[in-house]
Amino acid sequence: GENVEQHPSTLSVQEGDSAVIKCTYSDSASNYFPWYKQELGKRPQLIIDIRSNVGEKKDQRIAVTLNKTAKHFSLHITETQPEDSAVYFCAASRHQAGTALIFGKGTTLSVSS
Amino acid sequence: GAVVSQHPSWVICKSGTSVKIECRSLDFQATTMFWYRQFPKQSLMLMATSNEGSKATYEQGVEKDKFLINHASLTLSTLTVTSAHPEDSSFYICSARDPRNRVEQFFGPGTRLTVL
Repeated sequence: GENVEQHPSTLSVQEGDSAVIKCTYSDSASNYFPWYKQELGKRPQLIIDIRSNVGEKKDQRIAVTLNKTAKHFSLHITETQPEDSAVYFCAASRHQAGTALIFGKGTTLSVSS
Repeated sequence: GAVVSQHPSWVICKSGTSVKIECRSLDFQATTMFWYRQFPKQSLMLMATSNEGSKATYEQGVEKDKFLINHASLTLSTLTVTSAHPEDSSFYICSARDPRNRVEQFFGPGTRLTVL
């Protein structure tokens, strides 16, 4: 089955700096890669996703890149703000209705002002 | 986007009792729903895939006799934690894909279970 590795586990940056979180996956058949932000005690919130037919996707300060050959994908947050502080999870799955997402272990991002 | 609800949002029970958690898709039909468990400061771990009208598929290491899953309709899946023990205390989250949008997975708000 799929296995997703995520690094780093914690990340501290100064406000305005960029933050990068990296994930690798094992199942070459996976073709959907979402990123979630989760606040304590709440459900994961989708912030951006990418499919395997695309190498990069951007939404304002957030971007995701995908390297299918190397089986890794990354989340980039630019101009970080204190409200970006949260736990971020990457996930991977096959693009099929009955296939679950497999999550990385998470990254706790702290943005200090 | 599609909406998934869970009930209850939190529950406290005594050791040895059973607890049922409901997961509903409110504006779409879901032939498949997923149950995850999240311990404090850890990731979401897939417990099982719930299939409407058939048996659930459990992940390795998840006791199917302890975590009973029933997906009796296209909008409702239930997870029953039988003979709960303190180590079952966790955050349980369900999710489902809207067949009209096959890619994104929609999560319920989660259920905080505390077993005393």
